[in-house]
Amino acid sequence: AQSVTQPDIHITVSEGASLELRCNYSYGATPYLFWYVQSPGQGLQLLLKYFSGDTLVQGIKGFEAEFKRSQSSFNLRKPSVHWSDAAEYFCAVRMDSNYQLIWGAGTKLIIKP
Amino acid sequence: EAQVTQNPRYLITVTGKKLTVTCSQNMNHEYMSWYRQDPGLGLRQIYYSMNVEVTDKGDVPEGYKVSRKEKRNFPLILESPSPNQTSLYFCASSRSGGDTDTQYFGPGTRLTVL
Repeated sequence: AQSVTQPDIHITVSEGASLELRCNYSYGATPYLFWYVQSPGQGLQLLLKYFSGDTLVQGIKGFEAEFKRSQSSFNLRKPSVHWSDAAEYFCAVRMDSNYQLIWGAGTKLIIKP
Repeated sequence: EAQVTQNPRYLITVTGKKLTVTCSQNMNHEYMSWYRQDPGLGLRQIYYSMNVEVTDKGDVPEGYKVSRKEKRNFPLILESPSPNQTSLYFCASSRSGGDTDTQYFGPGTRLTVL
């Protein structure tokens, strides 16, 4: 079955440190890939998406993600986190023609001062 | 301002008492969807709608109903809520539901069924 895995439930980083959030999917073909962020008490906001072309995509708020076909991964990165980045991050993929998004369980990012 | 609105934002109810959560978008989007979010499970799709009068089941449709009588509104109906439907619910919309379309999310409705 198609699935999305975010192996880290929580990640704690210091303010100013770099960040990488992992996302792996299982599917034979190249899916459409998304990262969303959910700030406390808020809805979900799209950070970035990948459909084709350059495998390194830039998003809002200084985030980027790299699609690696060989590893079935789409990891989210940021070179220097800010306290305002504390939130829950969700990876999602769309794999077939019924337009459904398959979601990872989320990774909660905690920022240490 | 382009947005998806949901009402109510918070609701506490009792088992068996019918309720409706409204969802409205002002972007003329064709595609709308309902999700529930539970800790450790991410978002799971309940129902979606490709256009007016076109709805289909998502991954977890049991216990829910939807309708799409007009383009902007997509209410979620719980005819007889049960405690296992306690969750955070999100409505989302996108232009056409196509592969490259971004989904826009409402602020969420936190439902507690006692």
